[in-house]
Parts: sequence; C-alpha cells; structure tokens
Amino acid sequence: GDSVTQMEGPVTLSEEAFLTINCTYTATGYPSLFWYVQYPGESLQLLLKATKADDKGSNKGFEATYRKETTSFHLEKGSVQVSDSAVYFCALTPTGGFKTIFGAGTRLFVKA
Amino acid sequence: EAEVAQSPRYKITEKSQAVAFWCDPISGHATLYWYRQILGQGPELLVQFQDESVVDDSQLPKDRFSAERLKGVDSTLKIQPAELGDSAMYLCASSAQGESSYNSPLHFGNGTRLTVT
Repeated sequence: GDSVTQMEGPVTLSEEAFLTINCTYTATGYPSLFWYVQYPGESLQLLLKATKADDKGSNKGFEATYRKETTSFHLEKGSVQVSDSAVYFCALTPTGGFKTIFGAGTRLFVKA
Repeated sequence: EAEVAQSPRYKITEKSQAVAFWCDPISGHATLYWYRQILGQGPELLVQFQDESVVDDSQLPKDRFSAERLKGVDSTLKIQPAELGDSAMYLCASSAQGESSYNSPLHFGNGTRLTVT
C-alpha cells in the first residue's frame, strides 16, 4: 500500500545552519506531496505542497522538490531559525484518491 | 481566516466510559476527516466523509468507535467503551472539494486530547 517514510529525529541544529529532512514515498501513479508543520502546542498546518513531478513547493524559506525518479520529497532550508523548532510531517494523497497518508514526523530543535 | 473548530480541547475519562468529540469544518468544505495522533507518531486516518457519506473507515475500530456527519456539515466521533489504549490526540480536518480535490491540503483543528484512566 501507499506509505511515507521520513528520517528519524530529533534533528538538532544551530541557528543559521542548513536543514535537510529526508522523505521518501511509495505510491502508484502521481500522488500529491505535502509537508505539514506542527509548532509546539499547536495543530498541524500546511507548509508547502507539490502536485506533479519536478514541481518545487516553497514557503517561509523552506523548499521541497517532487522527484519521481527517486520517489522523494526532501525538505530543505538554507538558514534555520529558533522559531523553526517544530515537528515536520511529510504526507501524500494518492492519485484520484482522498486519503492523505502521513509519515511519522521529524522533530527539529534549533539552538540559538 | 476560517478555522476548523473542535471541542472539547481536553477530555479525561475512565476506561469503559463513553466519550464524544465534536468537529465543525470550514464552511463549504465537503470533505471531513478524523485522525488519531499518538504521541510521537504521525496522524492516522480513522474515518473520512464526503458530505454525509463515509468514504473510508477502514482503520476505524468499529466495535467501539462510531462517527457521523448527519447533515454533511459538523461531525461527531464517539468511543464506547473507552480503553486505556485510546489515549491520544483526536484531530479533525477538512478540505475543499474540486476537480482535483486530491491536491487540496487539509486544514486541521486544534484537536481533542483524550486521556483514559
């Protein structure tokens, strides 16, 4: 069945460091891919999305590119801030389907 | 910005008791989801509605869980009887329906944190 695998955390970085959180997926066809973020004490919210191969989603300095050939959607940010400390979830919605499947989440800690 | 409303925010109950959670999606959103999020894990879909119809409840423990969305707007999720393993965050989400609805992101409520003692 369809699934999402993301790197285990926690990831601890110093402020202004480069961030990569790996995400790979298993799905037939061309699913839509998403990154959601959950800040401490808050619910999940959409960070960015990509709906077809080679699309790049971006928001708040974060980027992720839909790589069909490697079935990946890695999240990157060039310079993290303390305020980026949160849990990041990679997710997919299958082609023509409605069920959104989430990865286990990766917790990011950014130190000042 | 419109939000998904959920209540209660917190619920503590004893095992074998009944509990119910309520969700009001963003106005006009035809698709409503109930997810369960165990601490340290990603959300797991329990049930999905399209208007008032269930489109996916394959992961819903139907011997104790039930969900309804009678008028295709707000929804209730019930657990009876509650078990210790049901302790989790219960999240409601909604999304817009369109020609490519699988592109539509989910909008989450703040959730109900359930503790079963």
